[in-house]
Amino acid sequence: EAGVVQSPRYKIIEKKQPVAFWCNPISGHNTLYWYLQNLGQGPELLIRYENEEAVDDSQLPKDRFSAERLKGVDSTLKIQPAELGDSAVYLCASSLDGRQGDDEQYFGPGTRLTVT
Amino acid sequence: SQKIEQNSEALNIQEGKTATLTCNYTNYSPAYLQWYRQDPGRGPVFLLLIRENEKEKRKERLKVTFDTTLKQSLFHITASQPADSATYLCALLTYYGNKLVFGAGTILRVKS
Repeated sequence: EAGVVQSPRYKIIEKKQPVAFWCNPISGHNTLYWYLQNLGQGPELLIRYENEEAVDDSQLPKDRFSAERLKGVDSTLKIQPAELGDSAVYLCASSLDGRQGDDEQYFGPGTRLTVT
Repeated sequence: SQKIEQNSEALNIQEGKTATLTCNYTNYSPAYLQWYRQDPGRGPVFLLLIRENEKEKRKERLKVTFDTTLKQSLFHITASQPADSATYLCALLTYYGNKLVFGAGTILRVKS
């Protein structure tokens, strides 16, 4: 069974440029998460989807970040414009049903973003 | 304020010994606590989940304890191997908010 797929794996952009990350969750997983992980820190939730509905986006900086999960499968996270402080690893995860709370989350390898 | 604290210093142990990692939390009411393993350049991998009404959980060489009075979870790896070297993250799921909150992780190095 394929795991969570993310692309690109690495991205280097100049500040003020836009960037987009793509995630394909495990087939059949209803819940999709986007996390941000800074060096030496644990992942921090940016947004959680139940199918195509964003049910927790309280930590998403909405002035520059946006996300979508069309048809409740793949998801895209966008930053526009990027700032130096956005340099981090962006992780996507999925689970069968996040509403249960005790769901095991499966993480992708992440996209390492460097903003210069 | 709410905090999840894990050993900030790396834990270095000899192969074959038991590794014990600590996760302390304040101002949380966790329903569940999970432990993940993360290797460099990879996403976290789920290891174990323990509920607030469970004292201990085991899986092969892994053991997790959960003390809601002390507000602490201990993660043990018995008969440790160099392949166990990684960063170990604890994460809480609270009754309020229904989202996982991660600690910063502890680096474990097992030397042969």
